[in-house]
Amino acid sequence: QVQLQESGPGLVKPSQTLSLTCTVSGGSVSIGNYYWTWIRQPAGRGLEWIGHIYTSGSTNYNPSLKSRVTISLDTSRNQFSLHLNSVTAADTAVYFCAREQWLAVYNLDYWGQGTLVTVSS
Amino acid sequence: DIQMTQSPSSLSATVGDRVTVTCRASQSISNHLNWYQQKPGKAPKLLIYAASSLQSGVPSRFSGSGSGTDFTLTISSLQPEDFATYYCQQTYITPWTFGQGTNVEIK
Repeated sequence: QVQLQESGPGLVKPSQTLSLTCTVSGGSVSIGNYYWTWIRQPAGRGLEWIGHIYTSGSTNYNPSLKSRVTISLDTSRNQFSLHLNSVTAADTAVYFCAREQWLAVYNLDYWGQGTLVTVSS
Repeated sequence: DIQMTQSPSSLSATVGDRVTVTCRASQSISNHLNWYQQKPGKAPKLLIYAASSLQSGVPSRFSGSGSGTDFTLTISSLQPEDFATYYCQQTYITPWTFGQGTNVEIK
């Protein structure tokens, strides 16, 4: 059973960088045809796909965030990370990590529980 | 970006009701459409993938249909544990995008 767990600061100051890590257990981030994905959800609102990284390390980002976001893999720790720079209050949200598989279409079959990040001084 | 529009935004129903949620894409996405269920404080859970395929472990009262731009999620007989918010998602062209959600509430 694959499990994902987000970790990182719950409070980030405006203009600084938001950094989160997703630790994967029960599977390897470097094996298989999977993308490792970040999604966020502002309070009381819908879901926004931030981007993903393939097991090979290739990435794809949401154009709305592309200039500020980096997703990376750490295969030695079986983790992947999100870095979002120059944050504002609009980046306050619950951040989820998830595994994206190809099963007839791409879909998100395993998710972390989510972590709330608040941007405030 | 492909816009996904769900209707209704919310609905009230009772246990045993047949419930239908609709999702419309701003352009054709073939069958690259997934449905998720989210309960308060929890991560979304995959219910349906490729428009009509039931994810392993999901009860058979959930079903999906559609292709192109119009899709439907149906719950044949609503159960107490089904009160939640449902999201559609397209994975045809990045950036993947979600509908705004449909909140299924207890009448």
